[in-house]
Amino acid sequence: DAKTTQPPSMDCAEGRAANLPCNHSTISGNEYVYWYRQIHSQGPQYIIHGLKNNETNEMASLIITEDRKSSTLILPHATLRDTAVYYCIYNNAGNMLTFGGGTRLMVKP
Amino acid sequence: DAGVIQSPRHEVTEMGQEVTLRCKPISGHDYLFWYRQTMMRGLELLIYFNNNVPIDDSGMPEDRFSAKMPNASFSTLKIQPSEPRDSAVYFCASSPLLRNTEAFFGQGTRLTVV
Repeated sequence: DAKTTQPPSMDCAEGRAANLPCNHSTISGNEYVYWYRQIHSQGPQYIIHGLKNNETNEMASLIITEDRKSSTLILPHATLRDTAVYYCIYNNAGNMLTFGGGTRLMVKP
Repeated sequence: DAGVIQSPRHEVTEMGQEVTLRCKPISGHDYLFWYRQTMMRGLELLIYFNNNVPIDDSGMPEDRFSAKMPNASFSTLKIQPSEPRDSAVYFCASSPLLRNTEAFFGQGTRLTVV
């Protein structure tokens, strides 16, 4: 199974940018990096994905290093509703997702 | 679209009983996935379908588990007989493609087997 390394927890002040790191040193060239989050008692929610280039959408930005061994998810202005567990996943099997432990992000007032 | 709809939201059953979980995917999505979430093992993929056909069931834990998709708008996950270790939250997800697209998850069914 593809394994990623994420810090188990992080805090962020409301209104500030939340930068969530992920290491995926064994990623291969055709494997995408996906980010999902899970708010308490809800199903996982897709955030963003990318292959090589940095990506941005209405929710977040994804910065992938040139060697593709790590990435950072950026929530530009975190709100209390962004408190959740964030999962970084890489694979070439699409939505056959292998979830790890994720990072529990706590946004504080 | 109302999203992926799962029923029931909560199910409590006695050990040995048959349990059926239901899922209605988003219309037009060709792929349907069943996941299970426990504290010990996290989120695990159990099985997925493409155009109503089961493609990969390698994640199904044992023969007590079975899944069907009789048509494009309905899937079931059945456990017979159920055991206390089957207690978990079961999620259904659907997507229009397998790769390079997002998966949409339902709200889950919390199963408790006593």
